[in-house]
Amino acid sequence: QVQLVESGGGVVQPGRSLRLSCAASGFTFRNFGIHWVRQAPGKGLEWVAVISDDGSNKYYADSVKGRFTISRDNSKNTLFLQMNSLRTEDTAVYYCAKDDYDLLTGPSDYWGQGTLVTVSS
Amino acid sequence: QSVLTQPPSVSGAPGQRVTISCTGSSSNIGAGYDVHWYQQLPRTAPKLLIYGNNNRPSGIPDRFSGSKSGTSASLAITGLQTADEADYYCQSYDSSLSGRVFGGGTKLTVL
Repeated sequence: QVQLVESGGGVVQPGRSLRLSCAASGFTFRNFGIHWVRQAPGKGLEWVAVISDDGSNKYYADSVKGRFTISRDNSKNTLFLQMNSLRTEDTAVYYCAKDDYDLLTGPSDYWGQGTLVTVSS
Repeated sequence: QSVLTQPPSVSGAPGQRVTISCTGSSSNIGAGYDVHWYQQLPRTAPKLLIYGNNNRPSGIPDRFSGSKSGTSASLAITGLQTADEADYYCQSYDSSLSGRVFGGGTKLTVL
């Protein structure tokens, strides 16, 4: 069965960096785009970034552009999110989500359980 | 403020029918981009409920249905059950933002 397992969350001070990982299994990882979606405490879902199946195309939400970098290692079935210059408003649960049939206009059919990032001094 | 607008809450009695609206604009739903719906039960990850405006993934009961018209879309739930109490989110693509967009979410309460 499809599994997505995020890790790397924690408490970090404003201005510092953190790298999240998402380990995938149960499907052919290299054939699908993968997204990061976040949810601030008590708030709704916010799309963060997406990377295409081969890593050649990457798209970001304006709120993280220039600070976050999405990447993947298809040999290890793992997705990453490098988060730099973190702000308090980046505090959220971060989900990785598998693309279904279209990188940007389609849905995500499987989601991980999420990892909590808290940005606080 | 979310690009797609949903009512913050809806409610209904067991067995009743409710609808949740999702209103966008000419750069997303109105441009013809598909709308997808997710259900998020308390303290869990979102789950795909409807894709491509009106299609159900395997395992989703036909009590859930979606529709789209113009710059809006709707999710309908019939035969309400207490297990349906959750937050529901619509999602589409916005050409002005060049990215996916979500509605603010709607909390369904089954009275």
